[in-house]
Amino acid sequence: AQSVTQLDSHVSVSEGTPVLLRCNYSSSYSPSLFWYVQHPNKGLQLLLKYTSAATLVKGINGFEAEFKKSETSFHLTKPSAHMSDAAEYFCVVSVGGSYIPTFGRGTSLIVHP
Amino acid sequence: SQTIHQWPATLVQPVGSPLSLECTVEGTSNPNLYWYRQAAGRGLQLLFYSVGIGQISSEVPQNLSASRPQDRQFILSSKKLLLSDSGFYLCAWSVLGTNSGNTIYFGEGSWLTVV
Repeated sequence: AQSVTQLDSHVSVSEGTPVLLRCNYSSSYSPSLFWYVQHPNKGLQLLLKYTSAATLVKGINGFEAEFKKSETSFHLTKPSAHMSDAAEYFCVVSVGGSYIPTFGRGTSLIVHP
Repeated sequence: SQTIHQWPATLVQPVGSPLSLECTVEGTSNPNLYWYRQAAGRGLQLLFYSVGIGQISSEVPQNLSASRPQDRQFILSSKKLLLSDSGFYLCAWSVLGTNSGNTIYFGEGSWLTVV
């Protein structure tokens, strides 16, 4: 069984300040982990993924995430927020051989000027 | 490279009317195909997935159905729409990789408003 918890439903930051979106997972097997971004009225875009290689994963638009097995976490970070980062972010867990990944409920990132 | 097309982008349908949303994937063969629904302000709900032509798995019992007439075509249908069917529908695809997890790629979505 697998599950994912996004610890914050909303995160509010000022432009130019760091972003931290938190995600914890549970999995019976070695997981693959993903972050997606969804801008209003758009589909989901893959930001980055972890698939048992390097634990620090770099993605698009300056985002990165670190897989911490001991903490069962996969938090998404960005050093400096931009107004265009305002969107919904989804953390996803998948285990090998499973057709159905598990999505978190999403975190809405609000960026203030 | 692979692309996914989904249409129509928006539609407004009266209660009781039929529905057909179509999705096609290009640049890959034998993909896994998915239909998700996203109600306003909520997370994603998996409706159907398919691992091959004619193979459909339903995750949520409802008045929607899905079909896969060709390898890279996935259709979401309803004979009679309900108000509760309103939402944002997303088609997606993946190719199951033993070492890369099941990376899912999404279409741009279809907004359905039932009136």
